[in-house]
Amino acid sequence: AQKVTQAQTEISVVEKEDVTLDCVYETRDTTYYLFWYKQPPSGELVFLIRRNSFDEQNEISGRYSWNFQKSTSSFNFTITASQVVDSAVYFCALSDANTGNQFYFGTGTSLTVIP
Amino acid sequence: GAGVSQSPSNKVTEKGKDVELRCDPISGHTALYWYRQSLGQGLEFLIYFQGNSAPDKSGLPSDRFSAERTGGSVSTLTIQRTQQEDSAVYLCASSLAFGLAGGPGANVLTFGAGSRLTVL
Repeated sequence: AQKVTQAQTEISVVEKEDVTLDCVYETRDTTYYLFWYKQPPSGELVFLIRRNSFDEQNEISGRYSWNFQKSTSSFNFTITASQVVDSAVYFCALSDANTGNQFYFGTGTSLTVIP
Repeated sequence: GAGVSQSPSNKVTEKGKDVELRCDPISGHTALYWYRQSLGQGLEFLIYFQGNSAPDKSGLPSDRFSAERTGGSVSTLTIQRTQQEDSAVYLCASSLAFGLAGGPGANVLTFGAGSRLTVL
């Protein structure tokens, strides 16, 4: 079965704290992509990152970092020194790397950064 | 266009009426997707187009829902005899390519701002 689980429904942190958003996935595919999308209060989903299943190298982009571990089927997202503008709903997603017909989204984690 | 454009941005209709939602994907994007997002919920897959054909219609919730895409570009999602449970934000996304040979943009979805449908 293809499935993405984001166990954290809502998280609140105080500005400048670090926060990690968890994502656990299930797939029968040997090659796949994992994604994170951000949905700010304005509503439009914004692409953040795509990882290939064969590339477990962690990635850092400014205050954002992603930890991909195939052994635990996890693709966690950490925001360092959070800011109010980080307040949004974050979705983790999975797709087969060989086709484009289906994306599996988690239910999202709503992050609130308190000033 | 520069981004995925959806119209109308807001639609209020009466129960039983038909509605049409339009999506204009990024120029050159061959894959187009419709999702539905109910208030505070995740994304529910509706349908996927590759070019003008829809290889996967598995997510359409009932036969009141249909979608078409013409010229490999604009897509229209039609909901007939709307019900209150159809109230949601309908999101359209497009993708340039998919698969491992598709380059850095493969399987990356660009979403529109959505069409918020309210059925009274």
